[in-house]
Amino acid sequence: AQSVSQHNHHVILSEAASLELGCNYSYGGTVNLFWYVQYPGQHLQLLLKYFSGDPLVKGIKGFEAEFIKSKFSFNLRKPSVQWSDTAEYFCAVNLPWNYGGSQGNLIFGKGTKLSVKP
Amino acid sequence: KAGVTQTPRYLIKTRGQQVTLSCSPISGHRSVSWYQQTPGQGLQFLFEYFSETQRNKGNFPGRFSGRQFSNSRSEMNVSTLELGDSALYLCASSLEASGYEQYFGPGTRLTVT
Repeated sequence: AQSVSQHNHHVILSEAASLELGCNYSYGGTVNLFWYVQYPGQHLQLLLKYFSGDPLVKGIKGFEAEFIKSKFSFNLRKPSVQWSDTAEYFCAVNLPWNYGGSQGNLIFGKGTKLSVKP
Repeated sequence: KAGVTQTPRYLIKTRGQQVTLSCSPISGHRSVSWYQQTPGQGLQFLFEYFSETQRNKGNFPGRFSGRQFSNSRSEMNVSTLELGDSALYLCASSLEASGYEQYFGPGTRLTVT
């Protein structure tokens, strides 16, 4: 089975600190990559996506992610976090349409809870 | 454009009962996927429907079933509920079957007592 690993279960930062959340996936072929965010009490929202091209992608609210193919990684970064960034962050990998696995085409990591102290 | 809607938002059922959850995708989206979210297991894939056909099915028992209608609306059904079925059930829609980002609804919080 394919997998997505998020290295940190819970990250606690102070406001203005820099953020980097790790994400690694196991599939060896071409993939599309996503980061989703779930704010407390809200539904999952797309933060950013990578399909092809520039491996450094920018998303909403100042977030960016870098795709490093050789490392099967798609790490999320933000230079300066705010209290309002407190949320759970999910990395997801979209496998090819004909993959047909029981995991579905969009495989999620377990999520990283980010707590930002004001 | 209206987002993905799910009904009901909250549900309390008793062991052994059955439940039907509904999902209306974003207008124009033809693919609907269902996930179960729990604190311990995270997001687990249940099934995906595209043009009324089930494309993929996750590793859940046969008590979990679903369908998609011609207007792309989808329902999932869980029969003979167990305590372990308590979870947040999420529906996501996307434009096509794969390779496109999925947009999630608010979920249905199911509690089985």
